[in-house]
Amino acid sequence: DSGVTQTPKHLITATGQRVTLRCSPRSGDLSVYWYQQSLDQGLQFLIQYYNGEERAKGNILERFSAQQFPDLHSELNLSSLELGDSALYFCASSVLSGGLNTGELFFGEGSRLTVL
Amino acid sequence: EDQVTQSPEALRLQEGESSSLNCSYTVSGLRGLFWYRQDPGKGPEFLFTLYSAGEEKEKERLKATLTKKESFLHITAPKPEDSATYLCAVSLTQGGSEKLVFGKGTKLTVNP
Repeated sequence: DSGVTQTPKHLITATGQRVTLRCSPRSGDLSVYWYQQSLDQGLQFLIQYYNGEERAKGNILERFSAQQFPDLHSELNLSSLELGDSALYFCASSVLSGGLNTGELFFGEGSRLTVL
Repeated sequence: EDQVTQSPEALRLQEGESSSLNCSYTVSGLRGLFWYRQDPGKGPEFLFTLYSAGEEKEKERLKATLTKKESFLHITAPKPEDSATYLCAVSLTQGGSEKLVFGKGTKLTVNP
């Protein structure tokens, strides 16, 4: 158990819909990362938040947005869903030391999104 | 463009048959290289961090090494429970922020 909690574990929805994925980081971790994993693309970095503020951005579509709340949990919002958005979405957390990412991320078990 | 390439994509071994997985990278501003293990339906689990060429780390039957262009994950006398996908990632600085870029992984199957 990594200590990172993601909900829901599975989600099935239709094209054009909007969903919200939730992540609770490990106790004490200030950084939250979102990754998308599909069979053909591997693990793709979407976005990182540190203590409520956006820290780094990856290949996140404009239809996707995220935020980190004062209690440090994070939500990833996916809107106008397309078939190609079907994937595993992982949240990870870490402790930033001296402003550097040690690369030791603790991943949740993921939310599997299926868009029909 | 920064890139992380892992080979082979898949590897089947017999129990006790040692082998190596490769991770090559072409990045500027490398801050570190990391190995993760991912079991089916689970999130990746951190294994090792390597920061400089020549560095080695060991954990049970796994040993990770790093050169200036690539890293190897050596698996000695593997057991079926070592079956998993092994992911390599590099930490790099881009546009003033730091991010972790993953390879697509090597799926290892160890047969009893």
